[in-house]
Amino acid sequence: KQEVTQIPAALSVPEGENLVLNCSFTDSAIYNLQWFRQDPGKGLTSLLLIQSSQREQTSGRLNASLDKSSGRSTLYIAASQPGDSATYLCAVSGNTDKLIFGTGTRLQVFP
Amino acid sequence: DTAVSQTPKYLVTQMGNDKSIKCEQNLGHDTMYWYKQDSKKFLKIMFSYNNKELIINETVPNRFSPKSPDKAHLNLHINSLELGDSAVYFCASSDRGVTDTQYFGPGTRLTVL
Repeated sequence: KQEVTQIPAALSVPEGENLVLNCSFTDSAIYNLQWFRQDPGKGLTSLLLIQSSQREQTSGRLNASLDKSSGRSTLYIAASQPGDSATYLCAVSGNTDKLIFGTGTRLQVFP
Repeated sequence: DTAVSQTPKYLVTQMGNDKSIKCEQNLGHDTMYWYKQDSKKFLKIMFSYNNKELIINETVPNRFSPKSPDKAHLNLHINSLELGDSAVYFCASSDRGVTDTQYFGPGTRLTVL
């Protein structure tokens, strides 16, 4: 049974810092891994999708890497801003045709 | 120009009532989903439909009945509401299932009193 864990559960950093969010999963037989952002009281916004054959994806200040064999992904946020404050969720899909979500990392970036 | 919309945004009701949540997507996607996010913010899939056909039913009580009148709509009807049904329910869609990016609606916060 696939389990997805995210560390840390919460993170508070000053503006301008580069930071790394971690995601680990127990079954390496995945189709892809997605990173989402959730603002309080809102739905999820997809940030990056990495196919199982890819090693990383980049979008602006965000870079996500995938090491399928070790069951790990990291989301790197460069030069963090207060507007980056949100909960970040990773999710993996596999042969069960569903997304399995992690527990999330709540990020606060203060000015 | 909302991609995935849900109504209502908030729903407060008494135990034992029946309620429905509606979802519509204008992205032309084939696959739609219902997720439940509990009080600890853990998100778990409930159902998925592909082109109006049920694909996943994730051991959800049969008080929950999804209905897809066409591939742009997936509604969720809940009978005999219980306290434990209180949660945020999210609708989502993707082009061709889990291999593609999922787009989420804003959520419906259900409170059962």
